[in-house]
Amino acid sequence: DQQVKQNSPSLSVQEGRISILNCDYTNSMFDYFLWYKKYPAEGPTFLISISSIKDKNEDGRFTVFLNKSAKHLSLHIVPSQPGDSAVYFCAASAKTGANNLFFGTGTRLTVIP
Amino acid sequence: NAGVTQTPKFRILKIGQSMTLQCTQDMNHNYMYWYRQDPGMGLKLIYYSVGAGITDKGEVPNGYNVSRSTTEDFPLRLELAAPSQTSVYFCASSFRGGLEAFFGQGTRLTVV
Repeated sequence: DQQVKQNSPSLSVQEGRISILNCDYTNSMFDYFLWYKKYPAEGPTFLISISSIKDKNEDGRFTVFLNKSAKHLSLHIVPSQPGDSAVYFCAASAKTGANNLFFGTGTRLTVIP
Repeated sequence: NAGVTQTPKFRILKIGQSMTLQCTQDMNHNYMYWYRQDPGMGLKLIYYSVGAGITDKGEVPNGYNVSRSTTEDFPLRLELAAPSQTSVYFCASSFRGGLEAFFGQGTRLTVV
């Protein structure tokens, strides 16, 4: 029962263009969402997060958008750089009493120079 | 500034053997977690701890045990290893539950 879904296993984008990674969730109790980036042979590293009281959060080249009615969030990277090539995981939690992050299956982003 | 450190990085076990995966963090975080990641899947929570002396089961606890005697250390014990436990194991810690977690580099375990 996958409560957080990333339906695109992979995405290729030209350097300098925008990368858009998508994530859907099913649990209406989720109110905090995170994106993690993972390079091979390393652990995931935190990238950006958003609380359900917001619909957008921006940090440099990274912006996360949240559409609560659609239970959908997306990560925009602009401009994309070759160093952004990695697997991106979406995660969610129900902050109240939360002890767990629920992770999606990941999207492998390849930025082509 | 080490963060979360896991050992070993790789291990091959025979069916029925036991082992302990070590995890230590130097950020004074109360919350610690063990996740496993199977190929093509997201991370699944095995066990977590909200502080020294307190542990609880996650989504996939069967076949594992944990202890938390100190704030820094959170070892994961595999008893009677099975091929289904072949996976990559990640330890993580956070200041509070459900928020940004810091991960170790992972342990790739193969059970043959």
